[in-house]
Amino acid sequence: GQQVMQIPQYQHVQEGEDFTTYCNSSTTLSNIQWYKQRPGGHPVFLIQLVKSGEVKKQKRLTFQFGEAKKNSSLHITATQTTDVGTYFCAGKGGATNKLIFGTGTLLAVQP
Amino acid sequence: NAGVTQTPKFRVLKTGQSMTLLCAQDMNHEYMYWYRQDPGMGLRLIHYSVGEGTTAKGEVPDGYNVSRLKKQNFLLGLESAAPSQTSVYFCASNFQGATEAFFGQGTRLTVV
Repeated sequence: GQQVMQIPQYQHVQEGEDFTTYCNSSTTLSNIQWYKQRPGGHPVFLIQLVKSGEVKKQKRLTFQFGEAKKNSSLHITATQTTDVGTYFCAGKGGATNKLIFGTGTLLAVQP
Repeated sequence: NAGVTQTPKFRVLKTGQSMTLLCAQDMNHEYMYWYRQDPGMGLRLIHYSVGEGTTAKGEVPDGYNVSRLKKQNFLLGLESAAPSQTSVYFCASNFQGATEAFFGQGTRLTVV
């Protein structure tokens, strides 16, 4: 079945450093979504990418969707303590109605 | 506008007991999902529904049953709870599966 893996599982950075998490799917995705979950909270939608090679930015966050629509990345420039949390990618395969989440990357930011 | 509401928020069960988790959404979403979250495992899909009266298995459906008798409600049942079902359960919903998913606050379940 469809599997979505993320690396790294955990990342600890100093405030001001950059951060990147990578998402890889075993199957081609119709779209990719990114969510953020603060400690003790629930996942909250950040963005959706649909087109092959698409790049979107939200302030310090840059999201990319791979040309083959099987991978994606989230890059945070100059991390802040408010960026702390777990970042998940989620994808829907073209022939399925399932929304499958990646394994997540936990980001810790030291002031 | 409440969004997605899960009840209860916390529950402790003894092995072998049964319970039902309720998810209610007021956004008229067609799709609803139940996930479980365990450390290092991400969010794993248990069951999902693409409309009233329909349900389908996700990645980890064993030990769980679901029902979608009304469009706004999605129930997750544990017939005979096991310690391996100790987890945080999240319900989510969206339009047609390819749009932003909205999550409930989660239910922390402990089976002893």
